[in-house]
Amino acid sequence: GAGVSQSPRYKVAKRGQDVALRCDPISGHVSLFWYQQALGQGPEFLTYFQNEAQLDKSGLPSDRFFAERPEGSVSTLKIQRTQQEDSAVYLCASSPTGGAPKNIQYFGAGTRLSVL
Amino acid sequence: TQLLEQSPQFLSIQEGENLTVYCNSSSVFSSLQWYRQEPGEGPVLLVTVVTGGEVKKLKRLTFQFGDARKDSSLHITAAQPGDTGLYLCAAMSPNTGNQFYFGTGTSLTVIP
Repeated sequence: GAGVSQSPRYKVAKRGQDVALRCDPISGHVSLFWYQQALGQGPEFLTYFQNEAQLDKSGLPSDRFFAERPEGSVSTLKIQRTQQEDSAVYLCASSPTGGAPKNIQYFGAGTRLSVL
Repeated sequence: TQLLEQSPQFLSIQEGENLTVYCNSSSVFSSLQWYRQEPGEGPVLLVTVVTGGEVKKLKRLTFQFGDARKDSSLHITAAQPGDTGLYLCAAMSPNTGNQFYFGTGTSLTVIP
């Protein structure tokens, strides 16, 4: 089947606007992760879902960031009142089972967010 | 403070040369993964190493997990332009079951 799909691929927002980034994981995958990646750096963990349950949101940088996965499949990362420092690539990954260390994570191509 | 430090940060070499990328930490991990990421794409898993001292080979790439499971290395023999990309090591946090940490990354450019 298809891989992890993220939309939009590119998003330009004015400072203060709200944005919503969508992730369609591989069908049937239990785990879903969101990461933030600055240019030339490694991705940084934001949050983790197992099915519809958000088990870890400790990486979300502020209360302006919110993620949901209401039916255990598609996930949305919402950023309210965007700031310039929010500019980054947001990556979504899914994994077939729970977050065990050896599980393979399949990544989407990411959404590049630019806040002007 | 980064949990996983990679070196070098940037590497530019000629086609056919050999290179080694290092991933170091003060923490012990039950396993460690290496990914390659190309521009505009997400990271793609290359290998998972689990046992201290383990060596895995993937064509011209050789991965080693340190005996103490705190560090790892990636060696590429006879690099080719297709090897160009951002190489990332990654491991599950030793303190929680869910946070997955990536290294600082090594950007490799192989010049034809």
